Amino acid sequence: EDQVTQSPEALRLQEGESSSLNCSYTVSGLRGLFWYRQDPGKGPEFLFTLYSAGEEKEKERLKATLTKKESFLHITAPKPEDSATYLCAVNYGQNFVFGPGTRLSVLP
Amino acid sequence: KAGVTQTPRYLIKTRGQQVTLSCSPISGHRSVSWYQQTPGQGLQFLFEYFSETQRNKGNFPGRFSGRQFSNSRSEMNVSTLELGDSALYLCASSIGDTQYFGPGTRLTVL
Repeated sequence: EDQVTQSPEALRLQEGESSSLNCSYTVSGLRGLFWYRQDPGKGPEFLFTLYSAGEEKEKERLKATLTKKESFLHITAPKPEDSATYLCAVNYGQNFVFGPGTRLSVLP
Repeated sequence: KAGVTQTPRYLIKTRGQQVTLSCSPISGHRSVSWYQQTPGQGLQFLFEYFSETQRNKGNFPGRFSGRQFSNSRSEMNVSTLELGDSALYLCASSIGDTQYFGPGTRLTVL
């Protein structure tokens, strides 16, 4: 069955404590993997698109990587303003499927 | 460039009523998708429109419908509202593979 999972479900970090979020997928014919950030009560904000295994994208403290079965979102020296839910989504065929998200809290 | 806009931002309805939500995509984007987001189910795909035609549809009952106009603006309609329809309804417009989301419409069904 095609699916997208994310781990951990929730993550609490101290400011400056680097970590990684995981997005695993089991789909055929991946066309792209997307990372979004969502703040409470708002729409998801686009972060990255990855298309092929080995690809990496960076933006400020965030770096996304992609393998054939999973993607990682690395957060380096996070700040409290990085607190949000991070969603990954997979585009395959005509489908665009979101994972359940990882709720990140960064404490000052 | 203006982002995706959705109106209204908040709605309160009672069971059995119907509701229409509106979405204006980013200028130049011809594809519009709709999602329902709830705490229990996460983001679930409703349907996608491209050039006024429904291109893809999720697994929702026929009470959920949509349309797209020639200017790419889209509306979704939910008839005979149920309590379980309470959710954040998100619209996304895209050009190519990447979807850009609006702020959502928070629908509460009493």
